[in-house]
Amino acid sequence: SQQGEEDPQALSIQEGENATMNCSYKTSINNLQWYRQNSGRGLVHLILIRSNEREKHSGRLRVTLDTSKKSSSLLITASRAADTASYFCATVPLNRDDKIIFGKGTRLHILP
Amino acid sequence: SAVISQKPSRDICQRGTSLTIQCQVDSQVTMMFWYRQQPGQSLTLIATANQGSEATYESGFVIDKFPISRPNLTFSTLTVSNLSPEDSSIYLCSVSSTGVGTEAFFGQGTRLTVV
Repeated sequence: SQQGEEDPQALSIQEGENATMNCSYKTSINNLQWYRQNSGRGLVHLILIRSNEREKHSGRLRVTLDTSKKSSSLLITASRAADTASYFCATVPLNRDDKIIFGKGTRLHILP
Repeated sequence: SAVISQKPSRDICQRGTSLTIQCQVDSQVTMMFWYRQQPGQSLTLIATANQGSEATYESGFVIDKFPISRPNLTFSTLTVSNLSPEDSSIYLCSVSSTGVGTEAFFGQGTRLTVV
């Protein structure tokens, strides 16, 4: 069964605004990752945050992790049209570190 | 990083036939995975392709329907057998080159339509 649930399912914002997507998961994890998928193509890895980390940055991306609430958020600052894509959180379970379990994803649309 | 070539990129197949999807990686990798992504949905892991041994299938997926080969550390195939319209999906090959549970790299996917 799926581990992660993203919220919202879809998000439309104006170019230049910040976009925040949330992810909740059910079981203990080794790490949590965020991926981007452009229109039915392959996924691109964005960032990985380990269970003992609380925040991580990469360029315009900021990821937080709250293991007590089993939740994570992905913030994209100063959004651009090219950020339009689906974003998935993915977890590596603590008891099954040989697999990555994907959430349902958030469809982000950046309006010009 | 790893560069993955997945073929075909798309296909339209008749009901009852089979489709074999190829995944070629530009470097030797330990872990290779096959996922299915139904329209508008998330990715579901089908199986882990093991080099030199039978693939490890996830619950709900069986070898007769999804036979997998992995003859070496850079190549794998997934066959979707006895196709039905419910098999219409995107199928994605994925590898992890730096170890289990770490960053995964994906092929561009195979969009399968069964008519």
